[in-house]
Amino acid sequence: LAKTTQPISMDSYEGQEVNITCSHNNIATNDYITWYQQFPSQGPRFIIQGYKTKVTNEVASLFIPADRKSSTLSLPRVSLSDTAVYYCLVGDIMDSNYQLIWGAGTKLIIKP
Amino acid sequence: ETGVTQTPRHLVMGMTNKKSLKCEQHLGHNAMYWYKQSAKKPLELMFVYNFKEQTENNSVPSRFSPECPNSSHLFLHLHTLQPEDSALYLCASSPRRDRGDEQYFGPGTRLTVT
Repeated sequence: LAKTTQPISMDSYEGQEVNITCSHNNIATNDYITWYQQFPSQGPRFIIQGYKTKVTNEVASLFIPADRKSSTLSLPRVSLSDTAVYYCLVGDIMDSNYQLIWGAGTKLIIKP
Repeated sequence: ETGVTQTPRHLVMGMTNKKSLKCEQHLGHNAMYWYKQSAKKPLELMFVYNFKEQTENNSVPSRFSPECPNSSHLFLHLHTLQPEDSALYLCASSPRRDRGDEQYFGPGTRLTVT
């Protein structure tokens, strides 16, 4: 069963680059790696998704090494509004259905 | 605004009550999901509907009963709940029930069972 491990919490300061690393040792060959962001009292929101190497969009970058056993979400120049819980997910096929296996998430606190 | 709405946003109910949670998506998606999020626990997938057909029920107690009358609407009917059912209930939708499809979440219903 696919499973992710990520730090429970992290602190950083405004203007810094934040990197959150997730390990997924038993990722399957055809699994995607997906990251979501969740603010208090809101549902999670998709940030970025990748399969291998590097993916970049307007809010983040995702670095995936060749063995795909880990991935790193990079948030450039964070602000106070980036304080949230970040979830790293990989998929799994269960009973012929693709499921995202949610972990506990990383609580990121940005300080002024 | 994600295009997925949920009502009510907050609900307090007794253990003998019957209530329903409503979810509506305006995105033209074909898959809809119910999740339970308890404090300090990962999201738990409860039910999945794909093209109005229930495709997954992850061992959810029968006191939770989902209904999907069309691809845009999803309900969760609640009856004789327990205090441990108090949680944030999240609805999500995606274009298909498929690998890697981005899920769009509603704001959730905060449920308290007294």
